[in-house]
Amino acid sequence: TQLLEQSPQFLSIQEGENLTVYCNSSSVFSSLQWYRQEPGEGPVLLVTVVTGGEVKKLKRLTFQFGDARKDSSLHITAAQPGDTGLYLCAGAGGGGKLIFGQGTELSVKP
Amino acid sequence: NAGVTQTPKFRILKIGQSMTLQCAQDMNHNYMYWYRQDPGMGLKLIYYSVGAGITDKGEVPNGYNVSRSTTEDFPLRLELAAPSQTSVYFCASSFEAGTTYGYTFGSGTRLTVV
Repeated sequence: TQLLEQSPQFLSIQEGENLTVYCNSSSVFSSLQWYRQEPGEGPVLLVTVVTGGEVKKLKRLTFQFGDARKDSSLHITAAQPGDTGLYLCAGAGGGGKLIFGQGTELSVKP
Repeated sequence: NAGVTQTPKFRILKIGQSMTLQCAQDMNHNYMYWYRQDPGMGLKLIYYSVGAGITDKGEVPNGYNVSRSTTEDFPLRLELAAPSQTSVYFCASSFEAGTTYGYTFGSGTRLTVV
């Protein structure tokens, strides 16, 4: 069974701080996605990474796919209160279905 | 552009009651999915469909049923509600298997079984 472990599970920081969220597995994934979910809403896709070692930037967010395609990280620079939410990583598992990590709940205080 | 629409938004059921969670998408996506989300557990796949008339079980299908008679609709049926089915349910759809372009999610149905 393919599993994705996210860490930390909870993160509470002050506005302006930097943070990194990790998504790890013992399995290889053909691609990995990051979603953000706000309270009362469904997850929204932020990025898809496909190639081992790939780095993608989305404004203050930097996403990296591990060389072996077993892990990924999300780095946020100078976090803002608007970044608050649940961040989910998801890997393309067998049969093309996505397997989700348990999520990282981020709170950015002004 | 509605995307994925789920109804109802909230529901309270008594143990043993039945209900159908509705899901409709207007993007002509072939792939549709039902997930449940419990605190600290991420999203668990209940059922999925790769096209009209084709459905298959996910990771946690017990206690649920689905049907897919049209491309647009993918209802989820709970036959005999149990407290363990208290959760937030999300429907999602994707253009292909979702591994490149990702899923589009609805806004969820919060179900409480008492």
